[in-house]
Amino acid sequence: NAGVTQTPKFRVLKTGQSMTLLCAQDMNHEYMYWYRQDPGMGLRLIHYSVGEGTTAKGEVPDGYNVSRLKKQNFLLGLESAAPSQTSVYFCASSFRTVLDQPQHFGDGTRLSIL
Amino acid sequence: DQQVKQNSPSLSVQEGRISILNCDYTNSMFDYFLWYKKYPAEGPTFLISISSIKDKNEDGRFTVFLNKSAKHLSLHIVPSQPGDSAVYFCAASANTGKLIFGQGTTLQVKP
Repeated sequence: NAGVTQTPKFRVLKTGQSMTLLCAQDMNHEYMYWYRQDPGMGLRLIHYSVGEGTTAKGEVPDGYNVSRLKKQNFLLGLESAAPSQTSVYFCASSFRTVLDQPQHFGDGTRLSIL
Repeated sequence: DQQVKQNSPSLSVQEGRISILNCDYTNSMFDYFLWYKKYPAEGPTFLISISSIKDKNEDGRFTVFLNKSAKHLSLHIVPSQPGDSAVYFCAASANTGKLIFGQGTTLQVKP
């Protein structure tokens, strides 16, 4: 039982390049989330999904797109990477609401944009 | 506008003593609060939570206290152990499933 798995773990991009971060969960969770963590700012929600085929914006959605084609997968895309998107990205999943069960996190993707 | 604030970036305590981590919030609509613990190169892991209808929740060495009138919560760890050394995040939700996180407090427990 792997929980939440993020790939890749590390990546270095040049400004303007594109890439997709993959998140996979095997807990049959309905909700999935993408966060970024920056020094001194905690975790900030980028986008989230409340079920297969749905997505919604979080606190800091600009510059990112997401897709949830399968219940177990949640993809985060950067179409044209910028240095300001250098961060550690975390994916999480949960059942319907916080009261059901807390969010379970992956181990993160460290992304550097030069 | 930081809705959840952890004003102490770091805290150092001696093994066996009590660790108290604090968190303040501004949004009165928050009705559920959580603490997560994070080790380097790992994702946050859930530690303990509290609903707004309670003022205390205990789980082993960990106790969370909620003071709604002051919009303040705290995490007590007794006794502190070296393995508790980590970054601790408080988070709050208005029952939407979305969490708002504080900046985190780095706890160091010295042997």
